[in-house]
Amino acid sequence: GDSVTQMEGPVTLSEEAFLTINCTYTATGYPSLFWYVQYPGEGLQLLLKATKADDKGSNKGFEATYRKETTSFHLEKGSVQVSDSAVYFCALRRFSGTASKLTFGTGTRLQVTL
Amino acid sequence: NAGVTQTPKFQVLKTGQSMTLQCAQDMNHNSMYWYRQDPGMGLRLIYYSASEGTTDKGEVPNGYNVSRLNKREFSLRLESAAPSQTSVYFCASSEVQGATYNEQFFGPGTRLTVL
Repeated sequence: GDSVTQMEGPVTLSEEAFLTINCTYTATGYPSLFWYVQYPGEGLQLLLKATKADDKGSNKGFEATYRKETTSFHLEKGSVQVSDSAVYFCALRRFSGTASKLTFGTGTRLQVTL
Repeated sequence: NAGVTQTPKFQVLKTGQSMTLQCAQDMNHNSMYWYRQDPGMGLRLIYYSASEGTTDKGEVPNGYNVSRLNKREFSLRLESAAPSQTSVYFCASSEVQGATYNEQFFGPGTRLTVL
């Protein structure tokens, strides 16, 4: 079945450092890929997405490129801020009938310090 | 627009007690979902409802039942709570138009502790 593997956290960075959070997936066919972010005490919010190979999703300075050859969707940001401290989830999507079903990774906690 | 709302925010139960978690969305979405979030395991799908009047099992349905009361509301029931059901529960909704994806919108969660 489908699965998503993320790097273990927590990741601790100083403000303005470069961020990479690795994500790889196992799936047949061509699933769509997503990054969600969860701020403390809140639900998940969609951060960015890519629906086909070589697509780059981007939002709020974050980027991720759908690499089919390496089955990866690594999240990057050039300069993190304290406000980026959160848990980041990589996910892939399948359709089942008319519902979209998400498979999530275990999440990576990011802590950014001054 | 409130988006996806969940009640209650927190709940403590004793083993064997029952309760219903409520979820409502005001975005006129057809599809709704229940997930549980456990440390080190990400989110796992419990049940989903592709459209009003239909429900289907997800990855971890045992010990739960759901009701799609109408297009807006999707409830999750624990008939006889067990400590293994201690978790944070998230409801989500989405719209699917043909093969076009629309994102899932999540509620703020219900933190449930079963003693």
